[in-house]
Amino acid sequence: GPKVLQIPSHQIIDMGQMVTLNCDPVSNHLYFYWYKQILGQQMEFLVNFYNGKVMEKSKLFKDQFSVERPDGSYFTLKIQPTALEDSAVYFCASSFLGGDEQYFGPGTRLTVL
Amino acid sequence: QQQVRQSSQSLTVWEGETAILNCSYENSAFDYFPWYQQFPGEGPALLIAIRSVSDKKEDGRFTIFFNKREKNLSLHIKDSQPGDSATYFCAASGGSALGRLHFGAGTQLIVIP
Repeated sequence: GPKVLQIPSHQIIDMGQMVTLNCDPVSNHLYFYWYKQILGQQMEFLVNFYNGKVMEKSKLFKDQFSVERPDGSYFTLKIQPTALEDSAVYFCASSFLGGDEQYFGPGTRLTVL
Repeated sequence: QQQVRQSSQSLTVWEGETAILNCSYENSAFDYFPWYQQFPGEGPALLIAIRSVSDKKEDGRFTIFFNKREKNLSLHIKDSQPGDSATYFCAASGGSALGRLHFGAGTQLIVIP
C-alpha cells in the first residue's frame, strides 16, 4: 500500500531538550496526523493538520507540542521542552480526505532521559 | 472512557482455523471502522475497513461483520496462517469529517503451526 516514511526511527534526548520528528506522507494526501503509543498501551490521537492548519487536537497535545509542514516538505512534530512522559512511539499518518483511509508510518521511538 | 473496546487481549488459534476478533464501540456517530495489523517494531498497516452503511465486508481471507444496532463488529480471519500472528487494532471514526481515529487496545493473535 501507500508508504509513509518517518525519520528518525529512534531518538534519545535529555529531558528539557527540543526534538523534531519528521514525517514524509503519501504524496497526494492532504490530511496529516500524529498518534502516540506508549509501550503496551493503545494508540492515542494527538493532532490532525490540513491546509496548513491544526484542525483538531487532543488533550495529549500539550502546549509544548507544535506541528507544521512548510512548503510541502516534511510534516513535523516538535516538542519543546521535552518531559519524561513524552517517551513513546510517535506514529505519523496521512489520508487523502479527512474521513478516508489513513496510512501509517513505521514510527519514531522517542526516549527522554 | 474508552470509546472502542476489544474484548480479548490475546487469542491463540491453530493454523487453518478461523480467528475471530471482537470489537465494540460507544459513540453512535462513528461510521467508519478500519482494522489495522501491527507487527512488532512496525507501524500499523490498514488491513480492511467497513462503513456503517454495510453489515459485511470481505477481502480475501479477512471479513468484517458489523452490527450497528448492537454497536459491535468482528474481524474473521479464515484459514489462519502463522504469518498472521500480529496485534490487531480495531479503530473507529466519524461524527466529523476530520478523520480522528479512536483505537481499541488491540488483540494479540498467535497462530500455532
